[in-house]
Amino acid sequence: KNEVEQSPQNLTAQEGEFITINCSYSVGISALHWLQQHPGGGIVSLFMLSSGKKKHGRLIATINIQEKHSSLHITASHPRDSAVYICAVMKTSYDKVIFGPGTSLSVIP
Amino acid sequence: EPEVTQTPSHQVTQMGQEVILRCVPISNHLYFYWYRQILGQKVEFLVSFYNNEISEKSEIFDDQFSVERPDGSNFTLKIRSTKLEDSAMYFCASGGAQLFFGEGSRLTVL
Repeated sequence: KNEVEQSPQNLTAQEGEFITINCSYSVGISALHWLQQHPGGGIVSLFMLSSGKKKHGRLIATINIQEKHSSLHITASHPRDSAVYICAVMKTSYDKVIFGPGTSLSVIP
Repeated sequence: EPEVTQTPSHQVTQMGQEVILRCVPISNHLYFYWYRQILGQKVEFLVSFYNNEISEKSEIFDDQFSVERPDGSNFTLKIRSTKLEDSAMYFCASGGAQLFFGEGSRLTVL
């Protein structure tokens, strides 16, 4: 079983839709990252969470440490949000980051 | 905003050759990481480096790979005797709780 899982694997949405991507993990963590990878390959860190909720523009990330679950929400989705969204957890020692398989999002105009 | 820089952006090499990928992490960061992403697959952890030594490495990081911080600023990944299956995007990151990624170095082994 993978230590970090994401759902859905692929997601197609109409512009303007509210989008939720889920991440669950099975290891002890110090932090959870939501990353965005565009078709060119570069990776950008969107959020780093250790508890609660963070908001940046149209993006909202939440984490429930007890349930070992995090969600990334995108409000009023736009075609430029099309990318792969990756959940990655940093183990408690900071030594290792385990990546989820990614969720490929396509937002259609 | 501080950034992690990687060179080269793309390298093509013949199978069996040695390759060195370079990274300049953010200067006050303590942890440095190398990751790999084979085309179409998920990002995989290779190695972390702290206090001038390897902190943890994955099963992928075998004797073919080595990392160094030769001059206190650059952080290098050396791949000896490259194989076809080493073709991938290699990402460097620095930080600790907060991660900052480089743009990646694409390695193509022919």
